[in-house]
Amino acid sequence: AAGVIQSPRHLIKEKRETATLKCYPIPRHDTVYWYQQGPGQDPQFLISFYEKMQSDKGSIPDRFSAQQFSDYHSELNMSSLELGDSALYFCASSQGQGPYQPQHFGDGTRLSIL
Amino acid sequence: AQTVTQSQPEMSVQEAETVTLSCTYDTSESDYYLFWYKQPPSRQMILVIRQEAYKQQNATENRFSVNFQKAAKSFSLKISDSQLGDAAMYFCAYRSANTGNQFYFGTGTSLTVIP
Repeated sequence: AAGVIQSPRHLIKEKRETATLKCYPIPRHDTVYWYQQGPGQDPQFLISFYEKMQSDKGSIPDRFSAQQFSDYHSELNMSSLELGDSALYFCASSQGQGPYQPQHFGDGTRLSIL
Repeated sequence: AQTVTQSQPEMSVQEAETVTLSCTYDTSESDYYLFWYKQPPSRQMILVIRQEAYKQQNATENRFSVNFQKAAKSFSLKISDSQLGDAAMYFCAYRSANTGNQFYFGTGTSLTVIP
C-alpha cells in the first residue's frame, strides 16, 4: 500500500541557511501534519493543513512556514536555520480531520545543522 | 495543554513473554482518543492500537491489547508473546475529540526484546 513519502531523507545545512522539506500524503488523504522530533525526544506538533488550509498550529517557530498545495502535498520551509533545528521532521497524513482518524507517518527527514 | 506521561524510559522482555508499558495522561476533557505508536530503529512511526475514551471495552489488535482506566487516566499497552520485531520505541499519544487535531505524545519507552 502507498505510504507517506518525505523528501529528502537526509539534509545537511549550515547555520543561517534555508531548507525545504517535502511531504506527499497517502492518495486521497486531505490532511497533513508536521512534527519535529529532537534527539531522544518525543515528536512535537508543528502545524497541520486540511484541504489546503492551515487547520492547527503548534510550536512552529516564526522562521518556519508551510503550505499545502492543490495536489495535497505539503512543504515545510525553514529559514535562518539554527543548531537547535537539528531534528527528525515527520510528516503524517490522514483522511479527514476526525480525531479517530489515525495519522500515517512518513519515514521522516533527518535535518542536521552544522 | 494535555500532558502524556510514560514513566518507563526503558523496558526489556524475554522473547515469547508478556510485557506491559505504562502511560498516564492529564486532561479535563471527557471525549478523546488514545493511541500507541511504535518507532523501530528504522524510525518509522507505526500505529499499534487506538482506543476511544467513550468505549469501556479495551481495544485489542492481535498480540497487542490495552488496559484503559478512564477514571485513573491510565492507558497501558500489553504485548503478549513478544517477538524480536517488537523491539522499538513506543509512544503513547492523546488526541482531543473537540479541540484541535494534533497528537500529544509521551516521551516514549524503549523496549528491548531479549532472545
